[in-house]
Amino acid sequence: DQQVKQNSPSLSVQEGRISILNCDYTNSMFDYFLWYKKYPAEGPTFLISISSIKDKNEDGRFTVFLNKSAKHLSLHIVPSQPGDSAVYFCAASVPTQGGSEKLVFGKGTKLTVNP
Amino acid sequence: DTEVTQTPKHLVMGMTNKKSLKCEQHMGHRAMYWYKQKAKKPPELMFVYSYEKLSINESVPSRFSPECPNSSLLNLHLHALQPEDSALYLCASSQTGGGEKLFFGSGTQLSVL
Repeated sequence: DQQVKQNSPSLSVQEGRISILNCDYTNSMFDYFLWYKKYPAEGPTFLISISSIKDKNEDGRFTVFLNKSAKHLSLHIVPSQPGDSAVYFCAASVPTQGGSEKLVFGKGTKLTVNP
Repeated sequence: DTEVTQTPKHLVMGMTNKKSLKCEQHMGHRAMYWYKQKAKKPPELMFVYSYEKLSINESVPSRFSPECPNSSLLNLHLHALQPEDSALYLCASSQTGGGEKLFFGSGTQLSVL
């Protein structure tokens, strides 16, 4: 049972245009959503997050939108740059006993930004 | 220092070997994690330590044995692994509390022959 879904395995955009990566989730207990960027043979790098009580968070070129009623979030990158080419993972967080966080990842979307 | 350091970066082992993966962080985080990632798949949680106590074991086979000697160190002891255990093993840490992001290490690429 996949609780976090990224239905687009890949996305290709032109440099300077907007990249929109989508993510859907099923578990209403998720209280935080995060986007990670990953290069091959490296660990995921945190990009941006949003609390479940907000609907938008912006950090430079990156904006995450959350639609709780639709259980949907999206990551907007504008303008897209070739260095943004990577696999982007959507992740959802649920608190656990002891104060740690359990992150559930989507399958990822491979973004290619063409010069 | 916002790094999570994992050693070794690459490991090749036979099915009868015993090896250990090591992870270290000096950010004062009190939660540490082991994730496993196979090619073209998302990272999957294996274990969580919170305040040096094992708080989550995601039904991982006993051939994987985690250890948290202190708040900065996390080990994963490997014994009698199978070829299907070949994967990227990722360590992460976080502050405890709500919604704190995880900081990941670069991982250990493990090949079991």
